[in-house]
Amino acid sequence: NAGVTQTPKFQVLKTGQSMTLQCAQDMNHEYMSWYRQDPGMGLRLIHYSVGAGITDQGEVPNGYNVSRSTTEDFPLRLLSAAPSQTSVYFCASRSLNTGELFFGEGSRLTVL
Amino acid sequence: DQQVKQNSPSLSVQEGRISILNCDYTNSMFDYFLWYKKYPAEGPTFLISISSIKDKNEDGRFTVFLNKSAKHLSLHIVPSQPGDSAVYFCAATGTGTASKLTFGTGTRLQVTL
Repeated sequence: NAGVTQTPKFQVLKTGQSMTLQCAQDMNHEYMSWYRQDPGMGLRLIHYSVGAGITDQGEVPNGYNVSRSTTEDFPLRLLSAAPSQTSVYFCASRSLNTGELFFGEGSRLTVL
Repeated sequence: DQQVKQNSPSLSVQEGRISILNCDYTNSMFDYFLWYKKYPAEGPTFLISISSIKDKNEDGRFTVFLNKSAKHLSLHIVPSQPGDSAVYFCAATGTGTASKLTFGTGTRLQVTL
């Protein structure tokens, strides 16, 4: 039972590089989201989606793009990485009928 | 503008004693509250939740209390065990299938022997 799977687990980028964090869930959840965790800041919502073809911005969307072409996948794209995007990123999903989010194991990103 | 606040960054409790983690919120539209537990290098995992129609929810050693008038909730762990050492996040959401979960900044609990 895989749940929410994130790749890669670790990544180092140089300023200005682009990359995509992958997220897949096998629970047929309609709702998917990306959070970032920073010291003293808790978990902050970047983008979320309530179904294929539908995405919306969260609390800290700048510098990130998302798309939702399938129910299972919700990739997060950094088009031009900045040191301020150094963080741990978590993908999470849930059924629209419940409030409980299921999280992936996280992706640690360092931007030099 | 932090809508969910956990004012204690850390808490140390002896094994067997009670751990009390606190959380305050400002948005009166929040009506469902959750606690998550996070170990290092892992994703947060759901622990316990409470709806605004209740003032208490219990699950084994974990009890969550909600005081709506004070916009305050707390998580009680009795008895505390070393395996409970983790970061605990309080989270809140409003009504609606697309409602977003807003998290607090977390409290690091250390249960000592």
